Amino acid sequence: GENVEQHPSTLSVQEGDSAVIKCTYSDSASNYFPWYKQELGKGPQLIIDIRSNVGEKKDQRIAVTLNKTAKHFSLHITETQPEDSAVYFCAAKRNSGYALNFGKGTSLLVTP
Amino acid sequence: NAGVTQTPKFQVLKTGQSMTLQCAQDMNHEYMSWYRQDPGMGLRLIHYSVGAGITDQGEVPNGYNVSRSTTEDFPLRLLSAAPSQTSVYFCASSFSGGDTGELFFGEGSRLTVL
Repeated sequence: GENVEQHPSTLSVQEGDSAVIKCTYSDSASNYFPWYKQELGKGPQLIIDIRSNVGEKKDQRIAVTLNKTAKHFSLHITETQPEDSAVYFCAAKRNSGYALNFGKGTSLLVTP
Repeated sequence: NAGVTQTPKFQVLKTGQSMTLQCAQDMNHEYMSWYRQDPGMGLRLIHYSVGAGITDQGEVPNGYNVSRSTTEDFPLRLLSAAPSQTSVYFCASSFSGGDTGELFFGEGSRLTVL
C-alpha cells in the first residue's frame, strides 16, 4: 500500500519567517495530495490540495509544490504568524481508491 | 451547520468492556470513515463506507466493527476494549470517497482503556 513519509516531525520558526514541510510517497499511482491543519483539540481541516496534473498551487501565504518524478511534495508557508502554529499532515491518494494515506504529521510552532 | 458530529468526546473504559462511538453527518455525504490518531503515528484508517450498506476495512481494522444503515450515521464499535485501543478517534466524511474531494472531520473522541 501507499507509504507517506513526512519531515520534519517538529518545526519552530520565528514570526515572519517561512516554513517548509516535505513529504514523499511510494505509490506512483497516487494523484491527489492534500494538506490538513489540525489545531489543538480539533479535527484536521483541509488547507490546500494539489492534483498530479499541476506542479504548484498557491493560496495567499501557503503554497504546495509537487514533483511526480521524484515522488515528493512540499508545503510552503510564508510570512508565518502565531496562528499558523498547529500540526500539519500531508496525505496521498489514488483517484481510483478510497483510502487517504496520511503522513505522521509536523508540529509547527511560530514564536512571536 | 453541524457538519460531522462525534459522541462522546471523552470515554474511559476498562479492559474487556464494549462501547460504541457515534458519528453523524448532515451533509448528505456518501463516504464516511474512521481514523485513529496516536502520538508519532499520524492518522490511520480503521474502516470506511462508500454508502449505506457498504463497509470495508482500512489499515488497522482489528478489534473494531462498523455498520452503515443510513447515509447519516456511521458508528464504530469496540466489542472487547484493550489498552492498545487507547487513542483519539476521528470520524470523517466526504461527498464521494472515490473522487479527490475534501474530507470533513469531526472534533474527535478521546478513549482511554484501563
